[in-house]
This record gives sequence, C-alpha cells and structure tokens, in this order.
Amino acid sequence: GAGVSQSPRYKVAKRGQDVALRCDPISGHVSLFWYQQALGQGPEFLTYFQNEAQLDKSGLPSDRFFAERPEGSVSTLKIQRTQQEDSAVYLCASSSGTVGRGSYTFGSGTRLTVV
Amino acid sequence: AQSVTQLDSQVPVFEEAPVELRCNYSSSVSVYLFWYVQYPNQGLQLLLKYLSGSTLVKGINGFEAEFNKSQTSFHLRKPSVHISDTAEYFCAVSASNYGGATNKLIFGTGTLLAVQP
Repeated sequence: GAGVSQSPRYKVAKRGQDVALRCDPISGHVSLFWYQQALGQGPEFLTYFQNEAQLDKSGLPSDRFFAERPEGSVSTLKIQRTQQEDSAVYLCASSSGTVGRGSYTFGSGTRLTVV
Repeated sequence: AQSVTQLDSQVPVFEEAPVELRCNYSSSVSVYLFWYVQYPNQGLQLLLKYLSGSTLVKGINGFEAEFNKSQTSFHLRKPSVHISDTAEYFCAVSASNYGGATNKLIFGTGTLLAVQP
C-alpha cells in the first residue's frame, strides 16, 4: 500500500484481556519497528524486525509483550493479560533500508485503553 | 547510551513570528538526527534529517535545522510560522545497536508548538 496501515485505530480492553495489534508496512520495506507512546511522551522503542527476523526486542517491557512477522510483511504485536499501564498509542514504522539512514514511515497508530 | 533532550515542553508563538525548537543529544559516536511532526491523532511525519555533509538541513513546510557537533545540538527553526504549524515536534537520534548497524530511533519527549493568531 501507499502507507503504513495499523488496525484497529482504537481498542478498549478490560484488564487481564489479551489484545492483538496489526501493522501492514509499505510493500517491500525490509525493516519494521514497533514503538509505544504514552500520553504526553515521545515514542519509545519496543522491537525491530528485519524481514521475518526479530533482531532487537530489548524495548519490550515484559514477557506479556510478544511480536511476530512470520512472512516478513505484516506484523502483529500481542499483549497478554493487559494492565492499565499498557494504555498507550502503539506506533508501527517501516523503512526500506536496514540501517538508520533512511526515512521511517509511521502508521497512525493504535490507541489502546485498558479499563 | 544515546539520549535526546527537548528542554521546552511547549512553545507559544504568534503567527508569522520566527520560532526555534531546541534539541540536544548525547552520543559518543556518529549519529543520524531527525525531526518529526505529529498532528493530533496522527502518526509521525518526517520533517528533515541530518545524515552527513552540510550542517544546515532544509526540510518540508519551510523548516530547517542546524547540526552543531561541538554543542551536540540539532535545533529546528522556521522564519515565519502559520497556524497550521501547531503540532507536537519530536527530535530523534538513530542509535547504534550492534556491529555499527543503526536501526531504532531514540526520541525526545516532544515540544508542543502552539501558534496563536
């Protein structure tokens, strides 16, 4: 597609519920990133994929967070047993390059509210 | 570890006035620097980036930034702002992770540019 598409745009989850957030990157983009943006804060890195390989997951806050990109295109971020502190906007970005020189294209994000 | 500091959480300015949004970074290695803009309920849009070469970088919407290695700064400027420039602005540095390859972005906390008529 023309841009990075994320779904759903909004998600309300009850505490303890599992959620899955989807990211469709720009076709052919090798690199895919997930970021978490809490209210009033800058985005914080969660994880990075190069094609289907998850090369960096150092930003995942706990083992309740899991991300995958099985075929090197669409990615899913899963959060198990959601907690209130998981409430944030989750941003996905993709890049045609494998190093940080390129322009990262961000999606509009999924706003997760845990009640 | 790399970090980015945006000292001003909010910058009010009148329409058609000049503006500067400050950004300082910490890094001991070569860095790539970026400015992104975020309009309400939208994702981040790249304004400009510094990779190498000329320290004065021009971006979209009339914005420019100057890389100053000695002061570890990358301030964003615009000579005359419009109401439509009201948004959150994020400075970011590309962090080296392993083997010299860089991937993830480290963001500042953002500066809200509030343009008043």
